[in-house]
Amino acid sequence: RKEVEQDPGPFNVPEGATVAFNCTYSNSASQSFFWYRQDCRKEPKLLMSVYSSGNEDGRFTAQLNRASQYISLLIRDSKLSDSATYLCVVNDGTDKLIFGTGTRLQVFP
Amino acid sequence: NAGVTQTPKFQVLKTGQSMTLQCAQDMNHEYMSWYRQDPGMGLRLIHYSVGAGITDQGEVPNGYNVSRSTTEDFPLRLLSAAPSQTSVYFCASSYVSGRDEQFFGPGTRLTVL
Repeated sequence: RKEVEQDPGPFNVPEGATVAFNCTYSNSASQSFFWYRQDCRKEPKLLMSVYSSGNEDGRFTAQLNRASQYISLLIRDSKLSDSATYLCVVNDGTDKLIFGTGTRLQVFP
Repeated sequence: NAGVTQTPKFQVLKTGQSMTLQCAQDMNHEYMSWYRQDPGMGLRLIHYSVGAGITDQGEVPNGYNVSRSTTEDFPLRLLSAAPSQTSVYFCASSYVSGRDEQFFGPGTRLTVL
């Protein structure tokens, strides 16, 4: 079983749609959770950290379910510029990070 | 601030050649790391450093060496290139630890023939 699993997609959604991605992780000792965004042939960039109580940043909402060991990302009112690959990232119980393979989102007009 | 810079952007090597990928950051970050990204796989940690003079192995260290003589620089050396090392290499830095926000360089696309 992979340490961090994501549906690779692609998720094809129209502008204005709401889309949600899930990610599961296997290490119960993980304490730090993140969503990174990676545009085609570019470097990853932090989208948001994920906190136990859930957190929101504009159109983006992240949630953590420790009991079931999954993280979610909700994007509301999708924009064309949201088209990218979204990487779920979890620490391995130490300072090392484990990256998921990413979920590709394509927003169309 | 330039952030994290990497050179070269592209490189083609023949099997058995050696080379050094350069990485520098100007944010005074203590933590630096190298990842490789292959199709269908997540970024995998090669080596990391928690400060000048300190390095440690990540998940896939074989065939690579690193050193950290200054806070700013963290070069990655390929000792004897193999086709399996064809990949995109990203250098990253963060304030103190791997659990802080990682700032990535633009990447080096390496092909080994």
